[in-house]
Amino acid sequence: AQSVTQLDSQVPVFEEAPVELRCNYSSSVSVYLFWYVQYPNQGLQLLLKYLSGSTLVESINGFEAEFNKSQTSFHLRKPSVHISDTAEYFCAVSPRGNTPLVFGKGTRLSVIA
Amino acid sequence: DGGITQSPKYLFRKEGQNVTLSCEQNLNHDAMYWYRQDPGQGLRLIYYSQIVNDFQKGDIAEGYSVSREKKESFPLTVTSAQKNPTAFYLCASSIMGQDDGGYTFGSGTRLTVV
Repeated sequence: AQSVTQLDSQVPVFEEAPVELRCNYSSSVSVYLFWYVQYPNQGLQLLLKYLSGSTLVESINGFEAEFNKSQTSFHLRKPSVHISDTAEYFCAVSPRGNTPLVFGKGTRLSVIA
Repeated sequence: DGGITQSPKYLFRKEGQNVTLSCEQNLNHDAMYWYRQDPGQGLRLIYYSQIVNDFQKGDIAEGYSVSREKKESFPLTVTSAQKNPTAFYLCASSIMGQDDGGYTFGSGTRLTVV
């Protein structure tokens, strides 16, 4: 069975500083990997995904994540955060083949002015 | 605009009562899912359905029931057997056979049982 570990439950960071949110997964098969973002009292929105090809994937708002197969990781990074990035971030994994996403426990990113 | 609608946004019920949460989508998605979210626990899968009139249990199905009589609708009933029903419930949908993580989520229902 697949599982996802998000190593940090809360990450406070000053505005314009860089941030890394860590995600590790366990799976014996090839998987797809995702990062979702949730703003307070809302549903989740897909931020970025790795399906195949280039191991570095980017979102439209400056986040990027790198798939590392040997370390089974998919860490999310942003070189300079804004107040508006304050949210909860979820890493998720899906084995290929129509099975539901498995989510990590989430990391709450708080950007401090 | 296409989307997924959950109602109501907030729901209060007395202990021992069954309650049904609504989830409707007009995206023509085949698959629908119910997740439960608790602080520090992430999202845990309750039930999912990939075609009409069929559904599968997720990791925490005990105390919940669902139906899928129409493609657009996937209501969740929280029964009195659910020991700790107070939580934030999220419904999602996706296209079958498209493994790109393209889940569309509703805005959630916050259930409080007193």
